[in-house]
Amino acid sequence: DAMVIQNPRYQVTQFGKPVTLSCSQTLNHNVMYWYQQKSSQAPKLLFHYYDKDFNNEADTPDNFQSRRPNTSFCFLDIRSPGLGDAAMYLCATSRDGTGYTFGSGTRLTVV
Amino acid sequence: DQQVKQNSPSLSVQEGRISILNCDYTNSMFDYFLWYKKYPAEGPTFLISISSIKDKNEDGRFTVFLNKSAKHLSLHIVPSQPGDSAVYFCAASAYNGGATNKLIFGTGTLLAVQP
Repeated sequence: DAMVIQNPRYQVTQFGKPVTLSCSQTLNHNVMYWYQQKSSQAPKLLFHYYDKDFNNEADTPDNFQSRRPNTSFCFLDIRSPGLGDAAMYLCATSRDGTGYTFGSGTRLTVV
Repeated sequence: DQQVKQNSPSLSVQEGRISILNCDYTNSMFDYFLWYKKYPAEGPTFLISISSIKDKNEDGRFTVFLNKSAKHLSLHIVPSQPGDSAVYFCAASAYNGGATNKLIFGTGTLLAVQP
């Protein structure tokens, strides 16, 4: 089945220690997104790749970066995680903004 | 600035009855609206959508109603089943010239369907 896969499902990292979350897709969608969802809050878009073009949201902290080495993979790098970065991170894909499909998410804990 | 609002954090309904989940938005440029369902420890899954050129869209037990003048949409589930218990997110997007449609989400409503 075509899908969006996020690894790992649960990630524990130390305060200030860089961490990378990964997302892969078999849908051949050209757009990939990263959302952050904190408890009882709406998922918040951090950035997205439209093909190879990176689009950062204005209020996304510099601490968050992303890489998309090819169509299928996208990574979220948190350079120096703080306690406030603990959240569920959702990867999604679409074909030119339609057919949004989400992965199961990675729950990040910062200790 | 919350552009998409779901003012009811939770809703409890008896099995077999109707569930009505509400969503309000502030951005008049939004032209496409979606509902997502999310179980714990899973990502959101698409449920139903509606374009701004329509006022109703139906898919089985699920119907979405859009009132553009009131900037309000609602999701009706009839009849409700225990398996419908989940968090429901309302999302909206605005056409931006054919690039990418970014989804703006509400905070979600936790629906509990009691057997």
